[in-house]
Amino acid sequence: ETGVTQTPRHLVMGMTNKKSLKCEQHLGHNAMYWYKQSAKKPLELMFVYNFKEQTENNSVPSRFSPECPNSSHLFLHLHTLQPEDSALYLCASSQEVSTNTEAFFGQGTRLTVV
Amino acid sequence: SQQGEEDPQALSIQEGENATMNCSYKTSINNLQWYRQNSGRGLVHLILIRSNEREKHSGRLRVTLDTSKKSSSLLITASRAADTASYFCATRKGGSEKLVFGKGTKLTVNP
Repeated sequence: ETGVTQTPRHLVMGMTNKKSLKCEQHLGHNAMYWYKQSAKKPLELMFVYNFKEQTENNSVPSRFSPECPNSSHLFLHLHTLQPEDSALYLCASSQEVSTNTEAFFGQGTRLTVV
Repeated sequence: SQQGEEDPQALSIQEGENATMNCSYKTSINNLQWYRQNSGRGLVHLILIRSNEREKHSGRLRVTLDTSKKSSSLLITASRAADTASYFCATRKGGSEKLVFGKGTKLTVNP
């Protein structure tokens, strides 16, 4: 248990569906991240939030929409996804974004787009 | 790209042997971190080494950093079957919000 909880753990959705991934951290961290992990590719950083403000959008398509209502919660809203968006989506948090601190990861949401 | 690259991509050893994984990166960094991931699950932080450090230990783990060669190594001594996992290095540039990961080394420890 890392203190970062992601729900759901598994999600199957059609290309016309709208769904949301949720991440919650109880570590008092100020920075939260979304990463995408596809087979045989490095982890791809998608979004960074620092003190609830989005500070990084790594050229992510608009069909992925993040939301950070407070420092403890992070959402990833999904709509009209493509099959190639199927991947493991990982949420992480860290104390701050630019210090010598490690990131704590959730267990991920395994997303399958059909 | 600042991205780290692990080497080898896959490593298979017997229990009790040592496992060495290497990581190379391209730009100057603030720190380098190693993470472990069991199949299909989240990453777990193992160790962080700052750019002004050359070696760090944690239990059976030993990490070295050579900033002149832009490389790091992770040594797991006396490996166990439970060490079977993928291991990733990640680098953070000074002042950067990005923690950039490599593709990882898949380690299999056979009982």
